[in-house]
Amino acid sequence: NAGVTQTPKFQVLKTGQSMTLQCAQDMNHEYMSWYRQDPGMGLRLIHYSVGAGITDQGEVPNGYNVSRSTTEDFPLRLLSAAPSQTSVYFCASSYSGGETPYEQYFGPGTRLTVT
Amino acid sequence: QQQVKQSPQSLIVQKGGISIINCAYENTAFDYFPWYQQFPGKGPALLIAIRPDVSEKKEGRFTISFNKSAKQFSLHIMDSQPGDSATYFCAASNQAGTALIFGKGTTLSVSS
Repeated sequence: NAGVTQTPKFQVLKTGQSMTLQCAQDMNHEYMSWYRQDPGMGLRLIHYSVGAGITDQGEVPNGYNVSRSTTEDFPLRLLSAAPSQTSVYFCASSYSGGETPYEQYFGPGTRLTVT
Repeated sequence: QQQVKQSPQSLIVQKGGISIINCAYENTAFDYFPWYQQFPGKGPALLIAIRPDVSEKKEGRFTISFNKSAKQFSLHIMDSQPGDSATYFCAASNQAGTALIFGKGTTLSVSS
């Protein structure tokens, strides 16, 4: 299993540009989430999904869109990039079974800089 | 309003000592409390988790203590080792663990 994969690893955008951060998991997990990590702020939940076709907002959803058309994929769209969106973005997946139910498996992250 | 408050921000412990990190939460609907460990350049990884129906959970050198009435929980790392040097995050959820609210993190340095 590849686990949770994220692309790209690094990205530089200009203010106002849009882009999509990709996230995929091959573990058949029903739950997926997006977080951003900023120095001194911990990880903050952007959006999450409890299954294909179902998404909900987290703590900091403004400026981001998500969709979940398949169990495997959960892309995060930046509609019009702003310098305040400079951050490291983590995607995570989890499921309700196994030895550690609801354990979130994190991807390697995408480091985004908006100039 | 910060829903999960974590302290201290940083911690230096000697090898073999006990590291203690504390968290407090506001939302009484939270029913899942994990601790994550993160090394530089990596994503966080689950260390240990607890549900509010127990007051303590131990896995190896790591122990979570949970006080439901005080809305507080803490991580104890016994016999701390240099390899434990990392950033630790507490978190809480009331969405079956899928939507975690994290504390701001504690950077632990274990000196040899």
